[in-house]
Amino acid sequence: KQEVTQIPAALSVPEGENLVLNCSFTDSAIYNLQWFRQDPGKGLTSLLLIQSSQREQTSGRLNASLDKSSGRSTLYIAASQPGDSATYLCAALYNQGGKLIFGQGTELSVKP
Amino acid sequence: SQTIHQWPATLVQPVGSPLSLECTVEGTSNPNLYWYRQAAGRGLQLLFYSVGIGQISSEVPQNLSASRPQDRQFILSSKKLLLSDSGFYLCAWSVGSGFYEQYFGPGTRLTVT
Repeated sequence: KQEVTQIPAALSVPEGENLVLNCSFTDSAIYNLQWFRQDPGKGLTSLLLIQSSQREQTSGRLNASLDKSSGRSTLYIAASQPGDSATYLCAALYNQGGKLIFGQGTELSVKP
Repeated sequence: SQTIHQWPATLVQPVGSPLSLECTVEGTSNPNLYWYRQAAGRGLQLLFYSVGIGQISSEVPQNLSASRPQDRQFILSSKKLLLSDSGFYLCAWSVGSGFYEQYFGPGTRLTVT
């Protein structure tokens, strides 16, 4: 069964800290992996997509890595800011154009 | 640029009433379209997806149905709502040229009373 797990479920850090969010998936035959951000009551915003042939992707202060052999992805956020407070979701795609398998998310709170 | 719209933004409906949620995408052609539901504390669940007009795949048996009458229009319906249908409904799209990266709409908050 294809499952995605995110640990921790919640994380609170002081402003300015670098932090890592973890995502693991049970089936390594993924097509791609996406990281999303969701603010309360809002839709999902795509942050980064890593294709199965890639090891990492970067956008501004965000860096996502992918290790298919170990079934893990991480999202690194540098110099965190209060505006980064949100729920972060990772999702694995196994079939082109098919459904995303989502983790339960990590709720991040960055304290000023 | 591509945009995705959903309406209504919020909806309160009594049990047993019908439902129609609409999603439209602009700025792309022949997208794959998806309906997800996010229930409180339960994560995101795919309900339906479509690879073309009139082509609908259902992931979960339930009292909901979906239709795609036009290339960039996706509709979620129910003839009789249940309390368990309450949740946050999200529409998404993707295209192969974008490595099937999925983009989500703003969502519809449905409360069944």
